[in-house]
Amino acid sequence: KQEVTQIPAALSVPEGENLVLNCSFTDSAIYNLQWFRQDPGKGLTSLLLIQSSQREQTSGRLNASLDKSSGRSTLYIAASQPGDSATYLCAVYSGGGADGLTFGKGTHLIIQP
Amino acid sequence: NAGVTQTPKFQVLKTGQSMTLQCAQDMNHNSMYWYRQDPGMGLRLIYYSASEGTTDKGEVPNGYNVSRLNKREFSLRLESAAPSQTSVYFCASSGSLIGGELFFGEGSRLTVL
Repeated sequence: KQEVTQIPAALSVPEGENLVLNCSFTDSAIYNLQWFRQDPGKGLTSLLLIQSSQREQTSGRLNASLDKSSGRSTLYIAASQPGDSATYLCAVYSGGGADGLTFGKGTHLIIQP
Repeated sequence: NAGVTQTPKFQVLKTGQSMTLQCAQDMNHNSMYWYRQDPGMGLRLIYYSASEGTTDKGEVPNGYNVSRLNKREFSLRLESAAPSQTSVYFCASSGSLIGGELFFGEGSRLTVL
């Protein structure tokens, strides 16, 4: 059974720093990986979707990379801002229909002004 | 563009009462999902619908029923609410059941006393 781990569970950094969030998964046979952002009391917002054949995806200040063989993905946030404060979750799709999507528990990020 | 809309946003029930959570999407997606999110447990799939007219159980279906009313709408019903069903419920949709990008609603916060 696929397991997805996000470490650390919480992270606090000063504004302006570049930072990396980590997502690891136990079964490398994946179809894609998706990064989400969740603000307090809100739903999940899709940030980036990386297909298994891709190495990275970029959107603005965000860059997500995927290394299937090592079971890892990273989300790089450049020049962090207080508005980036949120919980970031990754989800791995391993096939087999809707049951094949496994979520991590997220990293709670605080950007200090 | 509304995306995925859930109602109600908040609800308090007494044990044994019934209620229905409503979900509608305007992205012409085939697949729709219901998840619950609990502290320390992450997101867990309750039921999903691959396409109009079909529904299937997810990881935690006990105590719930669903109806895919049409392509836009997917409802979740609690027939006899229990305190263990206190949670935040999220509806989501995707263009494809097989690894499609997920779009979430804002969530429905349910408390069962």
